[in-house]
Parts: sequence; C-alpha cells; structure tokens
Amino acid sequence: DTGVSQDPRHKITKRGQNVTFRCDPISEHNRLYWYRQTLGQGPEFLTYFQNEAQLEKSRLLSDRFSAERPKGSFSTLEIQRTEQGDSAMYLCASSTGTPGEQYFGPGTRLTVT
Amino acid sequence: GEDVEQSLFLSVREGDSSVINCTYTDSSSTYLYWYKQEPGAGLQLLTYIFSNMDMKQDQRLTVLLNKKDKHLSLRIADTQTGDSAIYFCAESAGYQKVTFGIGTKLQVIP
Repeated sequence: DTGVSQDPRHKITKRGQNVTFRCDPISEHNRLYWYRQTLGQGPEFLTYFQNEAQLEKSRLLSDRFSAERPKGSFSTLEIQRTEQGDSAMYLCASSTGTPGEQYFGPGTRLTVT
Repeated sequence: GEDVEQSLFLSVREGDSSVINCTYTDSSSTYLYWYKQEPGAGLQLLTYIFSNMDMKQDQRLTVLLNKKDKHLSLRIADTQTGDSAIYFCAESAGYQKVTFGIGTKLQVIP
C-alpha cells in the first residue's frame, strides 16, 4: 500500500527563482489538498482539488502560487519569484469520498536563501 | 472565522495517562481530528470524531467532545516513550480544508 508521495523532499533555492513541487496521491483518492507548515505552527490550508477541479483557494495563495492537477491524479504546486517568507514545509494530502480522513505525504521542505 | 487553540506543551511519566485539550470556535465544524507528527515525519491521522458524537475510543486513545463548550480532548492511556510527538487538534466542515491548531508537544519521561 503506497501512501502519498512528494518530490522533492528538500529544495534550496535563491530568492527570485521559480520552484515546482509534485504530489502523487493515494491512487483511488479523488481529493487532493496542499498545506504549508512553518516552524512551530500547524499546517495552513492552501488549496484543494476534487479530481482535476480546483475548488477552493486560501487567501494565503498569492498570485505567485499556482497549483494544477491536470488529469485528476498527481498535482503540482509552483511558486514563482520565491521570497524568503516562502520558506516552509509544503504538505500534500489526499482523501477518498469519506470526509474526515486526509492522508498526508512527507512534505517538501523549501528553503529560500 | 475558524480558530483552533491548544496548549503548547505537556509532560507525563511513562505509564501515566496523557490528556491533551483543544478548543475550537467554528460552530459548523463537522469533524474533529487528532493528528500526530513525529520529528522529521509527516502528519499521521490518529483518530477523528463526528460532531454528533460525545466520545470515541480506539485502543489506548479516547476522544471526548463537548460540543456545547467546543472542547475536544485526547486521552492516551498507558503513555509510552513512543508517544512522544506533537499532537495537532484540527477541525473541518466536511470535504473541505482542515484547520489545525498550533500543536501540543508531548514529552514522555521514562
């Protein structure tokens, strides 16, 4: 049973560069979520897909952030013109039609220098 | 808006029971969760409770919900050193986003 996977696990980038992260959900899960977690805080919701449709976006998701799930399977999260404040752990989660159960991946740790 | 609050730190002796408390503000919360995060690891869903339930028990874990006071607690019986982690209380209204608290760091003293 493979869980949610994320790639890369770590990314170091210079301020102003673009980065893209990938999330592969559990295969039968049609819902996919992105969260951001900074040190000492709980995860904060960024956006949510049901199949390929992006149904909700947080105010945290500025114009520099874009997420896609083109075929309703894997998803990508792109951050353009990265800023030091973007440094965080980016978490992906997936779920089936059972509300209340989201399964998280290991996260991608982004460091912007 | 939604807000979830929990204490930052709890220390217990191995073998004792741990009780981690949480309060939430969103009256439309339908599901309330407890997640566990170990150092360097992802979030693990421990258990969740529907808002129309008062209690849920799962092996060493007992969740109590006081909907009137918007208070949720997690009791871990016979706490072990492997239970040392950060525990997040969280809530959602259904399929949508989950709102997390700041996390309670549980330290188990051998």
